[in-house]
Amino acid sequence: DTAVSQTPKYLVTQMGNDKSIKCEQNLGHDTMYWYKQDSKKFLKIMFSYNNKELIINETVPNRFSPKSPDKAHLNLHINSLELGDSAVYFCASSQFSGGARETQYFGPGTRLLVL
Amino acid sequence: GNSVTQMEGPVTLSEEAFLTINCTYTATGYPSLFWYVQYPGEGLQLLLKATKADDKGSNKGFEATYRKETTSFHLEKGSVQVSDSAVYFCALSSRGGADGLTFGKGTHLIIQP
Repeated sequence: DTAVSQTPKYLVTQMGNDKSIKCEQNLGHDTMYWYKQDSKKFLKIMFSYNNKELIINETVPNRFSPKSPDKAHLNLHINSLELGDSAVYFCASSQFSGGARETQYFGPGTRLLVL
Repeated sequence: GNSVTQMEGPVTLSEEAFLTINCTYTATGYPSLFWYVQYPGEGLQLLLKATKADDKGSNKGFEATYRKETTSFHLEKGSVQVSDSAVYFCALSSRGGADGLTFGKGTHLIIQP
C-alpha cells in the first residue's frame, strides 16, 4: 500500500564512507525528487528526474549522485560523507499532466547521521 | 527567484482555539500553493492545495485561500485539537513544478489540552 517508500529509514555512518539511499514509488508517477531537510527543518530541493532524465540539479556537491534505473525508482548515492551531510533526506514523486506537475507525494524520510 | 515566508514558531495554543499561520510568497508567473504537515518523526503529508487565484483549499477543518493581490496563502482552522500538533510547511510550485517545491521554513504548532 505504501505509495513512496525509502530505505533505510535510519543510517549512521562514519565520515569518508560511501552510502546509498533507495526510493521507490508505486503511484505510476513520471517525476521523482530528492529533498534535504536540515536540523532546523528547512527543506530544499536537490534533484528532480522526469522519465529517468535529470531535470533539476540544484547547487549540490558532486559527491551526491542520483540514479534512476526506471521511472519507479530514484536512488541517491553519496560519496565521501561529511559531517554536514547529516540531515533527513526525503524522496517525492508527482505526475506531469496537462502542462503541469501535480501534487508531490513524499516518502517517510531517511535520517542520516555522519559521525 | 521563488521564495516563501511563513511565521516561525513555535506557536502554542490551547485546544479549541482559532488558528492562523501566515504565509506569503514571491514567484514568477502563476504558482500552485500548498500546505504540507509533518508529524513528529514522520514524512510530509499534503494538507491542502490551491492552483489558481481565489481558490480555497480545505481538508480536515483547515482552510487556505490563494490571494494573488496580497501574494498570500494563510492557513486557518476554527478549533484546533491536540492531534494537530505538528510542523506546517507552506510551499509553492511554479513552471509546472519543474523547479521542485519551494518551502517556507516551517511553523511548529503546539496545542495544549
